[in-house]
Amino acid sequence: GQQVMQIPQYQHVQEGEDFTTYCNSSTTLSNIQWYKQRPGGHPVFLIQLVKSGEVKKQKRLTFQFGEAKKNSSLHITATQTTDVGTSFCAGRPGGSNYQLIWGAGTKLIIKP
Amino acid sequence: GAVVSQHPSRVICKSGTSVKIECRSLDFQATTMFWYRQFPKQSLMLMATSNEGSKATYEQGVEKDKFLINHASLTLSTLTVTSAHPEDSSFYICSARRASSYNEQFFGPGTRLTVL
Repeated sequence: GQQVMQIPQYQHVQEGEDFTTYCNSSTTLSNIQWYKQRPGGHPVFLIQLVKSGEVKKQKRLTFQFGEAKKNSSLHITATQTTDVGTSFCAGRPGGSNYQLIWGAGTKLIIKP
Repeated sequence: GAVVSQHPSRVICKSGTSVKIECRSLDFQATTMFWYRQFPKQSLMLMATSNEGSKATYEQGVEKDKFLINHASLTLSTLTVTSAHPEDSSFYICSARRASSYNEQFFGPGTRLTVL
């Protein structure tokens, strides 16, 4: 079936270091969404990417959608303690108006 | 805007009893609501998609007679875990889709179910 693979599962960084999580889909996506779940909280919508090769920025966060619309990445510059939590990508296969295929999530851990 | 509430936030029940969880979109109409299950340190597992006024669509492996879903209005969906067993203990999260250019999902705060 359709899958979205997200790596890495965990990422330990020193505060101030950069962080990147990657998602790869087995099929072409019409769009991809990113969500952030803080410890003990629920997922919160961050952004949606639609166009091939699209790049969007939100402050220290940079989101990319691949040219083939099968992969995406989230890059955080100069991580802060407030960035801890799990980032999820969720891809919408072409032709679906609501079905999202979720990645497994990448948990960001700031080293003490 | 786009707030989703979920009730109760925590519930502890005895094995064999049924538990109902409510999901409400407070300030928008949600034609589609989703029910997820999340195990500790794991991703969201979609259980079912619920459209107002019609039967829910269950994902493969999810027992429809075990997890009863009712989407009676544009702002309310309920999930009933029938004859709960300890293995049903989990974090259940609902989300509601708002009709917009993004069709993004807004999540409720989740319900922690513990079955003794």
